[in-house]
Amino acid sequence: EAGVTQFPSHSVIEKGQTVTLRCDPISGHDNLYWYRRVMGKEIKFLLHFVKESKQDESGMPNNRFLAERTGGTYSTLKVQPAELEDSGVYFCASSQGSNYGYTFGSGTRLTVV
Amino acid sequence: GQNIDQPTEMTATEGAIVQINCTYQTSGFNGLFWYQQHAGEAPTFLSYNVLDGLEEKGRFSSFLSRSKGYSYLLLKELQMKDSASYLCAAITGGGNKLTFGTGTQLKVEL
Repeated sequence: EAGVTQFPSHSVIEKGQTVTLRCDPISGHDNLYWYRRVMGKEIKFLLHFVKESKQDESGMPNNRFLAERTGGTYSTLKVQPAELEDSGVYFCASSQGSNYGYTFGSGTRLTVV
Repeated sequence: GQNIDQPTEMTATEGAIVQINCTYQTSGFNGLFWYQQHAGEAPTFLSYNVLDGLEEKGRFSSFLSRSKGYSYLLLKELQMKDSASYLCAAITGGGNKLTFGTGTQLKVEL
């Protein structure tokens, strides 16, 4: 079984540019989560999809962040325009049904310069 | 608010036993996870406790006391490959989201 795949693994962009991160969950997993870890801090929840619907987006920092999951398969997280404080590692995770057995991806390391 | 505390780093000797503690103050608590994360890799699931008591799985065991807001991860017969960050995370808020601690960086030495 393929795991949770995230692309790209690393991204370096200039302040003001746009970046789109992609997550492919485990096939059949309805639940998809985005988390973020900024330097020196704990991993923090961003949002939760159930299929294509946003179940909880209480962790999204501001309206520069837009997450989509069209068709309920893969998800994208767009940051536009990127700011320096957006630098960090963005993790995606998926789970099946109400199962708490999350599987995490390896993350995308975003550096805004 | 949600708060999870764990030590920043620990050092232990190969073959020994180490206990990593985690205390939490959360609302809507629905269970506690331990994850292992090697640098640059995905956090990988170690254990999930929802009821009080000890869960044993090979060299790793996890304990939970809901009344005390306390958990620990016990690693036995330490190996060099156990050097990693260990993340304590609680299911909170009545939903499925995880609240993480900052992680404990464990270094296993010869």
